[in-house]
Amino acid sequence: QQQVKQSPQSLIVQKGGISIINCAYENTAFDYFPWYQQFPGKGPALLIAIRPDVSEKKEGRFTISFNKSAKQFSLHIMDSQPGDSATYFCAARITSGTYKYIFGTGTRLKVLA
Amino acid sequence: DAGITQSPRYKITETGRQVTLMCHQTWSHSYMFWYRQDLGHGLRLIYYSAAADITDKGEVPDGYVVSRSKTENFPLTLESATRSQTSVYFCASRDSPSNQPQHFGDGTRLSIL
Repeated sequence: QQQVKQSPQSLIVQKGGISIINCAYENTAFDYFPWYQQFPGKGPALLIAIRPDVSEKKEGRFTISFNKSAKQFSLHIMDSQPGDSATYFCAARITSGTYKYIFGTGTRLKVLA
Repeated sequence: DAGITQSPRYKITETGRQVTLMCHQTWSHSYMFWYRQDLGHGLRLIYYSAAADITDKGEVPDGYVVSRSKTENFPLTLESATRSQTSVYFCASRDSPSNQPQHFGDGTRLSIL
C-alpha cells in the first residue's frame, strides 16, 4: 500500500527556533513532493515542493531536504514565527494516471512567542 | 471572485439521512477531488474527476456518491449518513498539466448524530 509516514504529530518551538518535520515513503512511484500549510478553518495551501532529482529547495525561511536513497524528505522552518503556527502536511504524487497525491497524517506546529 | 468554494461550511445531520456537499470552482480546472480529513489520518481521497462526466474512486469511496455534469461543479453525496462519516471534507481542483498544484477549498465540517 502506498503510504507517506509523517512525524512528529505535534511540535512546539520557541520563536526564532528551527522547526523540523519529517516524512518517509516506501513506494518509489512518486515524482513530486509538496508540503501544504493549513490554518484553522482553512483548506491546505501549497507551501513548497521538490522533485526527487533535487536534494534541497529553499524558499525564504522554508527549506525542503530530500534524500532519495533513504526515501525521506523533511521541511525545515528557520527563524520560526508565531504566524507559522499551523498544521503541515507532506504529500507525494503518484507518477501516473491522474497523478493523485498521498498525504501524510499532518504535524500541528505551535510557535511560542 | 475566482477560486474554489464549498457549501455549506458546517452541517449537522442524523444517521440515515442523505446529505450533499457542494463544490464549485471558477478556474475551469479539469481535475477535481474530494478528501476527508480526520485526526491521525491526514487527508484521504474519496473520489476524483478528470473531466465532466468522468469520475473514479479514491482511497475511501464507500458510502459516497459523486457526479460531475458541469466542469465547475463536483457535488459529493452521502446517501445514508453514518457516524463514521463525521469529518471535515475538502474539495480541491487542479489544471490539466500534471505539474499544476492542487487548490483546496476551505472545507465543510460535517457532524452526523
